[in-house]
Amino acid sequence: DAGVTQSPTHLIKTRGQQVTLRCSPKSGHDTVSWYQQALGQGPQFIFQYYEEEERQRGNFPDRFSGHQFPNYSSELNVNALLLGDSALYLCASSPGPGLTNEQFFGPGTRLTVL
Amino acid sequence: GIQVEQSPPDLILQEGANSTLRCNFSDSVNNLQWFHQNPWGQLINLFYIPSGTKQNGRLSATTVATERYSLLYISSSQTTDSGVYFCAVTSGSRLTFGEGTQLTVNP
Repeated sequence: DAGVTQSPTHLIKTRGQQVTLRCSPKSGHDTVSWYQQALGQGPQFIFQYYEEEERQRGNFPDRFSGHQFPNYSSELNVNALLLGDSALYLCASSPGPGLTNEQFFGPGTRLTVL
Repeated sequence: GIQVEQSPPDLILQEGANSTLRCNFSDSVNNLQWFHQNPWGQLINLFYIPSGTKQNGRLSATTVATERYSLLYISSSQTTDSGVYFCAVTSGSRLTFGEGTQLTVNP
């Protein structure tokens, strides 16, 4: 049973560039959530996708956008990168968007913005 | 929004010692999860425990939802237990994380 997978593992970009991160959910899961984890802090919720639509959004600017595909995989796009976007980006999947569903996390993508 | 506080922020133990990590939350929640983040950043699910008590080997957890806290117990700690432990609660389908407890287990 494959768990949540993310790609790439590491990424280095420069300010102003755009980046796309990818996530494949755990088998049997149809809901994907994205989180940003700055160094020394807990993960912060970015947004959640279910049925190919953004269902909830955290306190992140419009530079952060996403997409979910019919096979439930998802992308996180960040435009006009800032130094402060350097972080570990985590994807989580769950069996539906329900309030009681357990979430499982991928290994993360470490983004460095220079 | 909901607030999640974890204590202590840092904990240093000798191998074989027991420990208790605490998580307080400011409002009623639908779900509570405990995670262990390894040095590579992977969040490993420890417990899904909105209420009651669960045990898994040397680890156990108790959530008292009416009093808005959860406890994670680690017995006979091992060096491989080192890392950051996060408590996260669900409100509105999103997980809200605490700041974590950094655990160091020395041989």
